[in-house]
Amino acid sequence: EIVVTQSPATLSVSPGERATLSCRATQSVSSNLAWYQQKPGQAPRLLIFGASTRATGIPARFSGSGSGTEFTLTISSLQSEDFAVYYCQQYENWPFTFGPGTKVDIK
Amino acid sequence: QVQLVQSGAEVKKPGASVKVSCKASGYTFTSYNINWVRQATGRGLEWMGWMNPNSGNTGYAQKFQGRVTMTTNTSISTAYLELSSLRSEDTAVYYCARGLLGLRRAGLVGYWGQGTLVTVSS
Repeated sequence: EIVVTQSPATLSVSPGERATLSCRATQSVSSNLAWYQQKPGQAPRLLIFGASTRATGIPARFSGSGSGTEFTLTISSLQSEDFAVYYCQQYENWPFTFGPGTKVDIK
Repeated sequence: QVQLVQSGAEVKKPGASVKVSCKASGYTFTSYNINWVRQATGRGLEWMGWMNPNSGNTGYAQKFQGRVTMTTNTSISTAYLELSSLRSEDTAVYYCARGLLGLRRAGLVGYWGQGTLVTVSS
């Protein structure tokens, strides 16, 4: 099973600042890596797939990069609605494991 | 628009089984995988398995093998998750989620149901 880790666990950022979230897999997942955003009481929402492709309707301030085992989600200028928990998930090999999440909160 | 509407909350006793439904609309049901993901309160997302509604093929996370069954009724565009031998650790919100890329790349999901809370308590 591929284990996915994320860092940091919590990221405190001021509105308008840049946020950089990391995701690492224990073996190569090629570019088969997705990022999801989840707000309290809501289902997750797909942000990025294929490591760097924004899903439909996702603002351009969200960008993803990386391949193999190391990936990054960058939010270029945090808006109030971006404070949430972010999960990465590999879908290269079954079981399609999620990382433990990074909570982005207001500094 | 794509919608996945799940059945309501359930309370079960340890050792019982639960069956959660997920009714799909807004797309051709047999053209997209359905995945099931659960989330215990305050915890992260846990992928449970997937099903191809066209072929009936399934893939379950080993953790749930022997206790989980995923099925579909294509005539009513509905997917089902059944989990047996419930224990307190199974208390969670269970989500169905539709594949993003049709029947390719099981595991990559683009649309989610609203979630169903299953509480296991004596």
